Order: sequence, then C-alpha cells, then structure tokens
Amino acid sequence: QVQLQESGPGVVKPSETLSLTCTVFGESMNSYYWTWMRQSPGKGLDYIGYIHHSGATNHNPSLRSRVAISLDTSKNQFSLKMTSVTAADTAVYYCVALRNVWAMDYLGQGTLVSVSP
Amino acid sequence: QSALTQPPSVTGSPGQSVTISCTGSSSDVGRSTHVCWYRQAPGTAPKLMIYEGANRPSGVPDRFSGSKSGNTASLTISGLQVDDEATYYCSSYSYSSACLVFGGGTQLTVL
Repeated sequence: QVQLQESGPGVVKPSETLSLTCTVFGESMNSYYWTWMRQSPGKGLDYIGYIHHSGATNHNPSLRSRVAISLDTSKNQFSLKMTSVTAADTAVYYCVALRNVWAMDYLGQGTLVSVSP
Repeated sequence: QSALTQPPSVTGSPGQSVTISCTGSSSDVGRSTHVCWYRQAPGTAPKLMIYEGANRPSGVPDRFSGSKSGNTASLTISGLQVDDEATYYCSSYSYSSACLVFGGGTQLTVL
C-alpha cells in the first residue's frame, strides 16, 4: 500500500520561502509523477506541479516562476520550494502520486501551511 | 475562479440517482481523455473515484459512473447512500495551460 507523508513548517513569514518534503512509503520513486497540490481554506483544489524520475517536470503556469520541485530517490522523497509567499499561499498542501493519465492515485494527509508575520 | 464549472451543490434522497456536471472548454474536457472525479469528505484528502472519464479504480462501487459529452463531463451516483455525502471535484488535463485543472467542487447532500 502506497503512503505519502508531508513534512515541513506550519507557518511561513510573508516574502519568505515555503519548503515541504514528502516521504513515499511502499512504492518505488521510478513509478508515478510526484506531484504537489494545494487547497486554500474552504476552497477548491489547485495543481502546483510534478517531477518524474526521468527528470521531467511540469508546473502550473501561474506558479511556475516561484516553484521548484526536486526528487531524492535515495531517500524516497520529493520536495517543494515556493518563494516569495503571501497570504494567498496559505493552504493545505498535499503530496500526490499522479498516474500517467493525470489521475491522483494516492495523496498524503495534507499539511496546513499558514503565511503569517 | 476555477477552470472547470461545477454546480455548488446538489441534493438527492437515499436510493435515488444524482448527476453532477463539470463544464469546461474545447481545450480541456472537450479535448482530453484525462477527466477524473474525486470525492472529498470533510477534513480528509480527495479520493479518486473515476479516471479517464469513465473508469473506476479498484474498490469504487459501480454505483459511481462517469461520462462525457462535448465540453461537459458528468458523474452519476445511483442508489444514493447517506455515506455518499461529500464534496465532489472534477479534473481534466488542459491543453491550453499544459497542466491539470479542477472544478470548484459540488457539495452532495443526501436527505
């Protein structure tokens, strides 16, 4: 059974960088497109981007200039860095195992990141 | 503003059927085979219910079915149960933005 676990600070100051890590259990990093999603409080889902073990990446155009996603296969982890955060980036962030048909097969439990002074 | 349009809420009675629509454009739902539906209960992560428009992952009851016509995808839930109450989201690959886009979600109430 595939399990994903997000970790990282729950509070980030405005203009600083949000950093999250997802640890993958029960699955090779050579499978899936390792993806980050977010959900603002009371709102819908937003796609952030993915990384594949081949090196391929994809990003939401609205966030591309502020987002970097990296992969560490030796640790079975992938990470998200988002720069210059504002209050609008406050959300529950999910790490996701995305199938090659753009289907989210597995998600972590989500971690709330609040952008606050 | 979500890329895909869903009704904010639908209501059904136990045993009945409901259909949730998801309207996009010729750049996403209308063109893509990669249309999915997710169920999200309060405080939990979304769960995949339908992928590739009409396929059910293992473990999803056949009461859940998906279809598409033109730029609109639909999720039909038959034999409604109280446990089906949740928010349902659609998603599609968008050829114009080259990424995944979502609907705003539909709150299903079973009365």
